[in-house]
Amino acid sequence: QVQLQESGPGLVKPSETLSLTCTVSGGSISSYYWTWIRQPPGKGLEWIGFVYYSGSSKYNPSLKSRVTISQDTSKHQISLRLSSVTAADTAMYYCARGIAGSAGLDAFDIWGQGTMVTVSA
Amino acid sequence: EIVLTQSPATLSLSPGERATLSCRASQSVSIFLAWYQLKPGQAPRLLIFDASNRATGIPARFTGSGSGTDFTLTISSLEPEDFAVYYCQQRSDWPLTFGGGTKVEI
Repeated sequence: QVQLQESGPGLVKPSETLSLTCTVSGGSISSYYWTWIRQPPGKGLEWIGFVYYSGSSKYNPSLKSRVTISQDTSKHQISLRLSSVTAADTAMYYCARGIAGSAGLDAFDIWGQGTMVTVSA
Repeated sequence: EIVLTQSPATLSLSPGERATLSCRASQSVSIFLAWYQLKPGQAPRLLIFDASNRATGIPARFTGSGSGTDFTLTISSLEPEDFAVYYCQQRSDWPLTFGGGTKVEI
C-alpha cells in the first residue's frame, strides 16, 4: 500500500523560503507525476506543480517564479521549495501521486494527509 | 486558465437521499475531469477520473457523467461517511485547476 507523508516546518517567516518533503513508502517513484497541491484556509484547492519521475517538471504560472519541485529517488522523497513567502502562502500543503494516462497526467490517485504551513512573523 | 464552477456550494441532505453535484467548465475539457472527496484530517480521495471512471475501491453509489463543459457527480444513496466536501478538477489544459467545492452536509 503506497503512502505519502508530508513533513516540514509549520511556521515560516515572511520573505523566507518554505521547504517541505514528501516521503513515499510502499511503492516506487517511477512512472508517476509527483505533485504538490495546496488549500488556503476556507478556500479551494490550488495545483502548485509536479516533477515527473524522469526529472522534468511543470509549475502553475501563478507560482512559477518562486517554486521548485524536485525528487530524490534514492530516498523516495519529493521536495517543495517556495521562496519569498507571504501570508497568502498560508495553507494546507498536500503531496499527491499523479497517474500517467494515454494523454499525460491523468488524475491524483493517492494523497498525503497534508501539512499545515503558516506564514507569520 | 479554465475556471470550474461547482454548484451548489452546500447541499443539505439526509442519509439515504440522492446527491447531485454539478461542475461547469469555462471551456470544453472533453472528458478530462476528475472528482475528489475531502474530509478534515484525512487524505483526499480520488472518486472519479475521465468524467465517468470510478477509481479503485470506490463504491458503485458514486457515478460521474458529462463531457465538454457540464459534469455531474451523483451519489445514489448517501451513507454517513459520504458527508464531506467534493471537488472537481480538470486536466485538459495548463494550469490544472479545481472547482470551488461542494459541501455535502447532514
